[in-house]
Amino acid sequence: EDQVTQSPEALRLQEGESSSLNCSYTVSGLRGLFWYRQDPGKGPEFLFTLYSAGEEKEKERLKATLTKKESFLHITAPKPEDSATYLCAVQGRSNSNSGYALNFGKGTSLLVTP
Amino acid sequence: DSGVTQTPKHLITATGQRVTLRCSPRSGDLSVYWYQQSLDQGLQFLIQYYNGEERAKGNILERFSAQQFPDLHSELNLSSLELGDSALYFCASSPSLAGARSGANVLTFGAGSRLTVL
Repeated sequence: EDQVTQSPEALRLQEGESSSLNCSYTVSGLRGLFWYRQDPGKGPEFLFTLYSAGEEKEKERLKATLTKKESFLHITAPKPEDSATYLCAVQGRSNSNSGYALNFGKGTSLLVTP
Repeated sequence: DSGVTQTPKHLITATGQRVTLRCSPRSGDLSVYWYQQSLDQGLQFLIQYYNGEERAKGNILERFSAQQFPDLHSELNLSSLELGDSALYFCASSPSLAGARSGANVLTFGAGSRLTVL
């Protein structure tokens, strides 16, 4: 069964203090690893998809990387508006039950203070 | 606005009751997914429909059911409600069966329906 574990559960940063969020996964046949951002009371918003080990993607202050066992979301010089919960999800080889549904971790709640 | 529309935004009901949540997918998307999000469990996959047909099931209770209509909107029916069913219910859509190594496998989420069972 696919498993996704995110750490830390919560992270508090000062504005400008760079850090990384971790997503460890086990999956049968990775088809994609996804990062989403979720603001309180809203639906998850897509950030990145990574497909194979060694791949990297960037968007503004965010950079996602992927290895065979984990993914990191690096946040460089964060601002208060980066405060949100960051969710990691994997899509594995289709099975008879869950098809290609995304399997999510519980998320990292990030707070960036001025 | 993600393009995925969910109604109602908030719903308060009593134990034992039945409710229906509605989802309109993003224009052009054929696949609809339902997820439940609670504080302790995170986002849990419930069920997927593709072009009107059920394609995958996750941890969906027998008291819950769903369908996708010819116009591609979907409804999630929750019956015999219990206190533990209180949660955020999200609908997401994607262009296809989401198995392709392309943007077709990205799920776009709606804003959710918050269900409170008293």
